[in-house]
Amino acid sequence: KAGVTQTPRYLIKTRGQQVTLSCSPISGHRSVSWYQQTPGQGLQFLFEYFSETQRNKGNFPGRFSGRQFSNSRSEMNVSTLELGDSALYLCASSAPLAGSTDTQYFGPGTRLTVL
Amino acid sequence: AQKITQTQPGMFVQEKEAVTLDCTYDTSDQSYGLFWYKQPSSGEMIFLIYQGSYDEQNATEGRYSLNFQKARKSANLVISASQLGDSAMYFCAMREGGNYGQNFVFGPGTRLSVLP
Repeated sequence: KAGVTQTPRYLIKTRGQQVTLSCSPISGHRSVSWYQQTPGQGLQFLFEYFSETQRNKGNFPGRFSGRQFSNSRSEMNVSTLELGDSALYLCASSAPLAGSTDTQYFGPGTRLTVL
Repeated sequence: AQKITQTQPGMFVQEKEAVTLDCTYDTSDQSYGLFWYKQPSSGEMIFLIYQGSYDEQNATEGRYSLNFQKARKSANLVISASQLGDSAMYFCAMREGGNYGQNFVFGPGTRLSVLP
């Protein structure tokens, strides 16, 4: 079974631009979560989508948004990029069974650099 | 308050020896899951092992075992017979509750270096 895939793997943008990152979950997984990882803040939860609905959201400004399609693929968008948005963005998928037992499987990440 | 605490920012271990990475957690839920992930320098998070709050036995997966002490709220990862490829960041994570609304919370991580 193929793992979680993320595209692109690397991205360089300038301040003020916007960016869209893509994530394809493991086949059969309907839940997709996004995380931002920086050296200073560690791993921070952005949002989770399940069956095209956002069911959980972290503490990030509205510039960060996402969506999920009917095939469970998800996109994350960041508008008006700031230098502090430079980070590794990780996507994870899971097959919800009973909540706390759901294991998340991560993709390789997209490394975003904002200049 | 921190829900997941990993008190060891960095650890060194000699190749072929065992090492314990500490993790303590904070929750008032009765139902929760505890997870360990490995992140090599490439960046990908690799799932290692899972322990459910109702599991009576400690989880084991190959060279990985989880020393689960529920009363102390600790879930330490034990790696036996360390290998050079075990050098990486290790994250402890928790997912609370039995419903679908609880997201993962990760600890700050421990950087493990295996010495030849």
